[in-house]
Amino acid sequence: GQQLNQSPQSMFIQEGEDVSMNCTSSSIFNTWLWYKQDPGEGPVLLIALYKAGELTSNGRLTAQFGITRKDSFLNISASIPSDVGIYFCAGSYGGSQGNLIFGKGTKLSVKP
Amino acid sequence: GAGVSQTPSNKVTEKGKYVELRCDPISGHTALYWYRQSLGQGPEFLIYFQGTGAADDSGLPNDRFFAVRPEGSVSTLKIQRTERGDSAVYLCASSPGTHNEQFFGPGTRLTVL
Repeated sequence: GQQLNQSPQSMFIQEGEDVSMNCTSSSIFNTWLWYKQDPGEGPVLLIALYKAGELTSNGRLTAQFGITRKDSFLNISASIPSDVGIYFCAGSYGGSQGNLIFGKGTKLSVKP
Repeated sequence: GAGVSQTPSNKVTEKGKYVELRCDPISGHTALYWYRQSLGQGPEFLIYFQGTGAADDSGLPNDRFFAVRPEGSVSTLKIQRTERGDSAVYLCASSPGTHNEQFFGPGTRLTVL
């Protein structure tokens, strides 16, 4: 099935560093969502974006809905060990309903 | 309040058998979604219910897969004549329907031997 281009695929973080990841699509979306998934669990919703250009924060997390409606980014400031996990972007064509199309994920690990 | 729950958490079956996976959505959520996640991939859409009816089943891979939501709450995903390629984590999500914020359950890990 269709998936979004999410980058980077993986990255190592050191505590206190800022982290940035992004997602691009060949199609225009009406909604962008960012999720975090820990091993053996379902994805947990972090941030939802509904308007082009929208910038939304949730604690140390900030996400933006690109003005072209074909991209989104997620920033994590001052990372902490519990930030490790897999982050997924997801887009939806439907305004209030409809399935989500997911990226392949960005895996955050702690630098050895 | 309670989140989305899914049972069983793990299911091991043999090729050719029939399986049922259950999803209990968040109370009051009108929309319910099923996704399938393979190792190293993001979730892939299977089917979406609005109330009791399947609003979009375009993601079901073939006619061995079927899902129901008879009373507009609990949903069951049914897989007939399972194949080894059906092995994956099956995720359920629900949404209140006002915005497309989907809340996921922990998933059912299906292994077909």
